[in-house]
Amino acid sequence: GENVEQHPSTLSVQEGDSAVIKCTYSDSASNYFPWYKQELGKGPQLIIDIRSNVGEKKDQRIAVTLNKTAKHFSLHITETQPEDSAVYFCAASMRRDDKIIFGKGTRLHILP
Amino acid sequence: EPEVTQTPSHQVTQMGQEVILRCVPISNHLYFYWYRQILGQKVEFLVSFYNNEISEKSEIFDDQFSVERPDGSNFTLKIRSTKLEDSAMYFCASSENGYTFGSGTRLTVV
Repeated sequence: GENVEQHPSTLSVQEGDSAVIKCTYSDSASNYFPWYKQELGKGPQLIIDIRSNVGEKKDQRIAVTLNKTAKHFSLHITETQPEDSAVYFCAASMRRDDKIIFGKGTRLHILP
Repeated sequence: EPEVTQTPSHQVTQMGQEVILRCVPISNHLYFYWYRQILGQKVEFLVSFYNNEISEKSEIFDDQFSVERPDGSNFTLKIRSTKLEDSAMYFCASSENGYTFGSGTRLTVV
């Protein structure tokens, strides 16, 4: 079955700097790659997603890139702010309504 | 914005007892799911439910687990005889072209 690896497990960046989280997946049949933000005491919240027919997608300060050949995908957050501090999960799925396989998560700390 | 609602937020139960975790999915969603997250570990898929039946389940979802949509609005997860290792955060989700997760139920088995 699908396996998603995520790095780093913890990331600290100065406010205003960029943060990058990287993931790999194993199943070439995966076509949908969502990213979730989880704040303390809450469920995962979708922040951005990308389909396999797209190499890059951007939404304001957040961007995702996908290299389907290498089975790599990444999350980029620019101009980080204190409210970006959270746990971020990458994930892979066949399609939007299918089961999701999550990475282990990255705890992002934004330093003042 | 529509929400997935889970109750209770925290449940403590004795080992061997049955628990029912409750969820109210978003009303026009057709796909429903349960996931769990053991403390410090990744979120794991348990089961998906579509058209009033299980569409897929993981190897975690053994005979002690069951799901039900009893009245067209609620979606429940029952654990028949809880074990210590069932202690986790359980998330319900619903989807119609994209997931919405609830805030979770923290289950503590003592």
